[in-house]
Amino acid sequence: EPEVTQTPSHQVTQMGQEVILRCVPISNHLYFYWYRQILGQKVEFLVSFYNNEISEKSEIFDDQFSVERPDGSNFTLKIRSTKLEDSAMYFCASSEGLSGVQPQHFGDGTRLSIL
Amino acid sequence: AQKVTQAQTEISVVEKEDVTLDCVYETRDTTYYLFWYKQPPSGELVFLIRRNSFDEQNEISGRYSWNFQKSTSSFNFTITASQVVDSAVYFCALSGYSGYSTLTFGKGTMLLVSP
Repeated sequence: EPEVTQTPSHQVTQMGQEVILRCVPISNHLYFYWYRQILGQKVEFLVSFYNNEISEKSEIFDDQFSVERPDGSNFTLKIRSTKLEDSAMYFCASSEGLSGVQPQHFGDGTRLSIL
Repeated sequence: AQKVTQAQTEISVVEKEDVTLDCVYETRDTTYYLFWYKQPPSGELVFLIRRNSFDEQNEISGRYSWNFQKSTSSFNFTITASQVVDSAVYFCALSGYSGYSTLTFGKGTMLLVSP
């Protein structure tokens, strides 16, 4: 069964450094998402992406964050100058259609630890 | 604004007991979708079920069943004859039909099934 792939599984970064989290969505999916889960808390929406542009973003997704689909398969989340509070599990998800009509399928997540 | 409430933070049962996880939601959308996701200790998010707001037919799938009641804005999930492998955090989520239908998650219910 096709799945969403995220790399790396764990990233440790010094505060202030830039980090790029990578995702390969399911190949025929058109909608892409990033979510964040701070340890022990609920999953929070960051951003959605469709047709090569951001379609929606939350308050969390401020100027330090950016997303990109550099080629036909990858979908990346960049955090420009990391802060301690960015430590969390980051999930990439994709769906074939709008998530109400088609469910979002999640990757295994990247655990980001900021030191 | 959308909101999902999972009042049970943690439930402990002994194997073979039945267990019901509660979910109450709030939305102004007339069309919306409800989901259950499972997060095992390994951390990934696994899609379990999707229900739309105009389909109140409840469903049984193996040991899992779902009870959707629009009148009380509830979407409860029952595991029959629980097993140790069911131990996980279970998230209820809501998606509207407008925009790009991002998911709003509840805080999750941790289910511990002991032998």
